[in-house]
Amino acid sequence: EVQLVESGGGLVQPGGSLRLSCAASGFTFSSYWMSWVRQAPGKGLEWVANIKQDGSEKYYVDSVKGRFTISRDNAKNSLYLQMNTLRAEDTAVYYCARGYSGYDNWGQGTLVTVSS
Amino acid sequence: QSALTQPPSASGSPGQSVTISCTGTSSDVGGYNYVSWYQQHPGKAPKLMIYEVSKRPSGVPDRFSGSKSGNTASLTVSGLQAEDEADYYCSSYGGSNNFVVFGGGTKLTVL
Repeated sequence: EVQLVESGGGLVQPGGSLRLSCAASGFTFSSYWMSWVRQAPGKGLEWVANIKQDGSEKYYVDSVKGRFTISRDNAKNSLYLQMNTLRAEDTAVYYCARGYSGYDNWGQGTLVTVSS
Repeated sequence: QSALTQPPSASGSPGQSVTISCTGTSSDVGGYNYVSWYQQHPGKAPKLMIYEVSKRPSGVPDRFSGSKSGNTASLTVSGLQAEDEADYYCSSYGGSNNFVVFGGGTKLTVL
């Protein structure tokens, strides 16, 4: 069974940093593109970042370019999102998702709240 | 990056069919056959219902179907059931500068 389990969310002050993790199991992690998708409270879904199987290609939504970094460790079956210079508008549930542009498996999400 | 346009709400009675539209541009929906649809119940993670415009993942009932014409994709739910009541989101590949774009979501109500 495919499982994606996010962790690392919490309350952080504006300008602060947070690192999200996603532990993958039940499939060959190194064979898949992986992504982060977020959902602000009461709002729709927003793609945040994608990373290729070997980490050689990474893509970001404009609003997080230069602030967020997606990475992966295939030996640990883990996906990461380093978030710096956080803003109030980054407040959202962050989902880890498997896939390139169609996401067939999602984690349960981790809540990031940016507030003073 | 602009979101794809979906109607905010749709509704139908049990057993009826309902179609939800998703309008983009030639740079996303119209340019690629990589449109996906997701179902999301309150407090839950999204679930993939349709990928590559019209393909259904295993386990998704064939009451759900997808199509595309020009810059507009559509999701049709036939034989509506109470459990179909949820939010539905479309997404499309948008090229390397706008990798994935989502629609704003449609709340489907089963009357």
